[in-house]
Amino acid sequence: EDQVTQSPEALRLQEGESSSLNCSYTVSGLRGLFWYRQDPGKGPEFLFTLYSAGEEKEKERLKATLTKKESFLHITAPKPEDSATYLCAVHGGSQGNLIFGKGTKLSVKP
Amino acid sequence: DTAVSQTPKYLVTQMGNDKSIKCEQNLGHDTMYWYKQDSKKFLKIMFSYNNKELIINETVPNRFSPKSPDKAHLNLHINSLELGDSAVYFCASSQGGVGEQFFGPGTRLTVL
Repeated sequence: EDQVTQSPEALRLQEGESSSLNCSYTVSGLRGLFWYRQDPGKGPEFLFTLYSAGEEKEKERLKATLTKKESFLHITAPKPEDSATYLCAVHGGSQGNLIFGKGTKLSVKP
Repeated sequence: DTAVSQTPKYLVTQMGNDKSIKCEQNLGHDTMYWYKQDSKKFLKIMFSYNNKELIINETVPNRFSPKSPDKAHLNLHINSLELGDSAVYFCASSQGGVGEQFFGPGTRLTVL
């Protein structure tokens, strides 16, 4: 069965304190791994798509990387406005749809 | 300009009632989706439509039925509402199949 597991469930950082979020997956034939950001009371907002191991994508303070079993979302010198829930999703195997993880809730304190 | 819009934002209703949630996208995308996010924030696909054709139908109760009058709209009809239907429902759209999806703001459904 295809699965996506995100860790930690919650992460509290001080402003400027860099860290990483993890997304591990089991899927046969990965066709894409996606990162989304979700703010309270809003729909998920697309951040990155990764297709193959070794691929990296960057956007401002965020950098996503991919291996054959997991993806990391690195946050460098975070700011309070980076506080949100970060969702990972995979597309692959026998599924014709995205399978989401439960997310990591990030809080960045000034 | 809102890319994916949903109405209503909030919906409070009694058990047994029938309700609808509307979704519209102005991105010109060819695929639209409905997701359910439960109280634990777990986001799960319910349906998707591609060019007015249902291409994914997950194991959801047949009380739920998607209806697409045209490529820009995908409405969700729910019959005989149950307590367990309480959740936030998101509409989304994408171009060229599963990929970068644009989500609406969500509809919080509360069944009393």
